[in-house]
Amino acid sequence: GIQVEQSPPDLILQEGANSTLRCNFSDSVNNLQWFHQNPWGQLINLFYIPSGTKQNGRLSATTVATERYSLLYISSSQTTDSGVYFCAVPGAGSYQLTFGKGTKLSVIP
Amino acid sequence: DSGVTQTPKHLITATGQRVTLRCSPRSGDLSVYWYQQSLDQGLQFLIQYYNGEERAKGNILERFSAQQFPDLHSELNLSSLELGDSALYFCASSPRGGGYGYTFGSGTRLTVV
Repeated sequence: GIQVEQSPPDLILQEGANSTLRCNFSDSVNNLQWFHQNPWGQLINLFYIPSGTKQNGRLSATTVATERYSLLYISSSQTTDSGVYFCAVPGAGSYQLTFGKGTKLSVIP
Repeated sequence: DSGVTQTPKHLITATGQRVTLRCSPRSGDLSVYWYQQSLDQGLQFLIQYYNGEERAKGNILERFSAQQFPDLHSELNLSSLELGDSALYFCASSPRGGGYGYTFGSGTRLTVV
């Protein structure tokens, strides 16, 4: 099945700093989603981004489908950004999502 | 509130027991997905239903089963529970069977003691 790798696995930032999270996937996809799991366990859909670039406030994401990677940018980080960020893609001919292992982000004051 | 409702939020039960987790999808969504999140396996797809019918199966154990009812709510039944079944169980829904526009519920945290 499709493989999804995320880097870095852990990231510690000072409040106000910027960061880039990366997601590599092993096969062509027509759908890629970024999720944020907050410290209470809730999974929040950040972006549905099969290709191109999208922005939502301090967050933006870019997917280069031909090169099989996606980037999530977090600018001016806040403590509320802490948690685990997952990217997920569907397998070929399937509807279920395969998740990466996530990037655990800790933003300290 | 994401619109996907899962109950109960927490469940503690003993080994060998059976439990039922419930999920109500977002209004208008026909697809329901169940995922398990454990410390060692990460987030894994279990099963998908679309408009009452099973659409896809993932790494779901034979001790687990699910169904989607005519009102589109879904239940995940876990039986002969083992310590290793302790995990967060998420339900998600989407408007179509294609997996687009996933919305996750807040999860049920199952602890088997």
